[in-house]
Amino acid sequence: EDQVTQSPEALRLQEGESSSLNCSYTVSGLRGLFWYRQDPGKGPEFLFTLYSAGEEKEKERLKATLTKKESFLHITAPKPEDSATYLCAVQGPGNTGKLIFGQGTTLQVKP
Amino acid sequence: NAGVTQTPKFQVLKTGQSMTLQCAQDMNHNSMYWYRQDPGMGLRLIYYSASEGTTDKGEVPNGYNVSRLNKREFSLRLESAAPSQTSVYFCASSDIGTEQYFGPGTRLTVT
Repeated sequence: EDQVTQSPEALRLQEGESSSLNCSYTVSGLRGLFWYRQDPGKGPEFLFTLYSAGEEKEKERLKATLTKKESFLHITAPKPEDSATYLCAVQGPGNTGKLIFGQGTTLQVKP
Repeated sequence: NAGVTQTPKFQVLKTGQSMTLQCAQDMNHNSMYWYRQDPGMGLRLIYYSASEGTTDKGEVPNGYNVSRLNKREFSLRLESAAPSQTSVYFCASSDIGTEQYFGPGTRLTVT
């Protein structure tokens, strides 16, 4: 069964304290791994797509990496405005476009 | 360019009442999706439409029906609401195999 597990569930950081969020997945034939950011009361906002092991993508203080079993979202020198829930999702084989989401990691960055 | 829009934003229903959640996208995407988000459960796919004229069940379809009205619009109907359907509902759209873009959500309470 296709599955996505994110860890930790919650993470508290001081401003400037770098860390990483983990997304482990089991899927038969990965077509893509997606990272989203969700602020309270809002819909998920797309961040990155990764397609193959070894691929990396960067945006401001965020960097996403992918291996054959997991993805990491590295946050370098975070700021309070980076506080949000980060969601990981995988797309399996077929042309449906369906995503399987993890439960998310809620990040709080304190000034 | 509004992206994905959803109406209503909030709704309170009594058990047994019916309602339709509306979703529209202006990005000319072929595929559209309905998710529900519950605490501790993550985003779960209810129904999806890979292309205009087709709809398919997702992970949690029971108690729901959908209509792909045209390429832009995808509605979700609750025929007889139950307290277990209290949730936040998100609509999303994409081209096949690419990232999904989400609407702002509908917060539904069934009493």
